[in-house]
Amino acid sequence: AQSVTQPDIHITVSEGASLELRCNYSYGATPYLFWYVQSPGQGLQLLLKYFSGDTLVQGIKGFEAEFKRSQSSFNLRKPSVHWSDAAEYFCAVGGYSSASKIIFGSGTRLSIRP
Amino acid sequence: ETGVTQSPTHLIKTRGQQVTLRCSSQSGHNTVSWYQQALGQGPQFIFQYYREEENGRGNFPPRFSGLQFPNYSSELNVNALELDDSALYLCASSSEANGEQFFGPGTRLTVL
Repeated sequence: AQSVTQPDIHITVSEGASLELRCNYSYGATPYLFWYVQSPGQGLQLLLKYFSGDTLVQGIKGFEAEFKRSQSSFNLRKPSVHWSDAAEYFCAVGGYSSASKIIFGSGTRLSIRP
Repeated sequence: ETGVTQSPTHLIKTRGQQVTLRCSSQSGHNTVSWYQQALGQGPQFIFQYYREEENGRGNFPPRFSGLQFPNYSSELNVNALELDDSALYLCASSSEANGEQFFGPGTRLTVL
């Protein structure tokens, strides 16, 4: 079965501290992996994506993610968080075809401690 | 280049009514997917339209239906609204080139 698991429902990090959000996936074919961010009442903004190539991908706003096939993981990281990073983060998986649906995790809410 | 747009932004309906939500795809995109995001959850795939035909459907009842028009814009129709239909409805468009979907800002539907 295709699925995405984000084990942390809510994380609080101090401003300036490093961040890692966990994501594990199950997908039968070669996955197309995404991280999205959603601010309250807003739509989804793509942070980064991975399909092939270098397993460490850089995204917007200083985020990066590492694909580990052996662990079926795609964790999101940021070396130093800013108060504006407080939001909901969704990991997602899909196929490379435009006909593929995207399967989302349940999200991790990030709070920033001043 | 215009991104994905959705209308209306917010909508309030009562149980049993019908609703139509609209989505304009990004220029050059011929595929539109619809997602439902209930409060506190991740988006769930409703269905996808490709060149005016339904091209995949998630676990949603038939009272959720859609259309895609020749200009690739799309509508989501929901009949016999239920309280649990209250959610943010997201539309995403994509091209045949790859699977990256570009999301609109969503329509917030409240069913009373």
